[in-house]
Amino acid sequence: DAKTTQPNSMESNEEEPVHLPCNHSTISGTDYIHWYRQLPSQGPEYVIHGLTSNVNNRMASLAIAEDRKSSTLILHRATLRDAAVYYCILPNSGNTPLVFGKGTRLSVIA
Amino acid sequence: EADIYQTPRYLVIGTGKKITLECSQTMGHDKMYWYQQDPGMELHLIHYSYGVNSTEKGDLSSESTVSRIRTEHFPLTLESARPSHTSQYLCASSKFGLDSYNEQFFGPGTRLTVL
Repeated sequence: DAKTTQPNSMESNEEEPVHLPCNHSTISGTDYIHWYRQLPSQGPEYVIHGLTSNVNNRMASLAIAEDRKSSTLILHRATLRDAAVYYCILPNSGNTPLVFGKGTRLSVIA
Repeated sequence: EADIYQTPRYLVIGTGKKITLECSQTMGHDKMYWYQQDPGMELHLIHYSYGVNSTEKGDLSSESTVSRIRTEHFPLTLESARPSHTSQYLCASSKFGLDSYNEQFFGPGTRLTVL
C-alpha cells in the first residue's frame, strides 16, 4: 500500500468541527483513499472513501487535495461518540487486504 | 449494521489448550480476514481468504491456522495456546473485487487471554 502519514493524536471540543489530515505523497493515479475508524473495544468501521472529488456521507466529509497528495476527513460536529482512532488507508490497486497503520487517536472533550 | 459474528467474545484459557475462534458472516462475502491487535497497538493481518479452499498468510507471522470450507465461515485455530497469544483477534469480510473500493466489515472481536 502507498504510505500515509497521520498525526498520532488530536483533540477537539464537543460540537465543534474536526479536520483530520492525512498525507499520501506517493499516491498513484488509481489509488482510492479510504478512512476507517475504531471505537474503543470495537472492530474498525468504514467511514468514507474517495478518488478525486470531495465526498460526503452521513458520517463525514472527505476533502481531497487537487494534487491528491493529501486529504482531510471532516467531522462537522464532533460528539463524545466520535472519540476513536481514525485510519487513512490507500489500498493496493491489486487484490490485497487493507493494511492499517497507527492512525490518529481523536479525543473529544465535553 | 454489519452481519459478521465472532464467538466467543472473551476467552481465558490455560497454556497448552487447543482453541478455535469462530467467525461467520451472512453477507455472502467471498473475502474474509483475520487481524490481531494488542491493546493500544496497530492491527496486523495474520490470515486471509478469497474464497472456499483458499487461505493465505498475512503480514504478521502467526502460529494459528485457518480453514475456509464454507463461504460464510472462517475459523481460526491455535493448536497449543501460549501466553504470547494473548491478544484481540478481529475477523472481517468484504465482497469479491478490487480492495480499492470494497468496504471491509469487521466483527466485534475475540479477546483472548492465555494464562
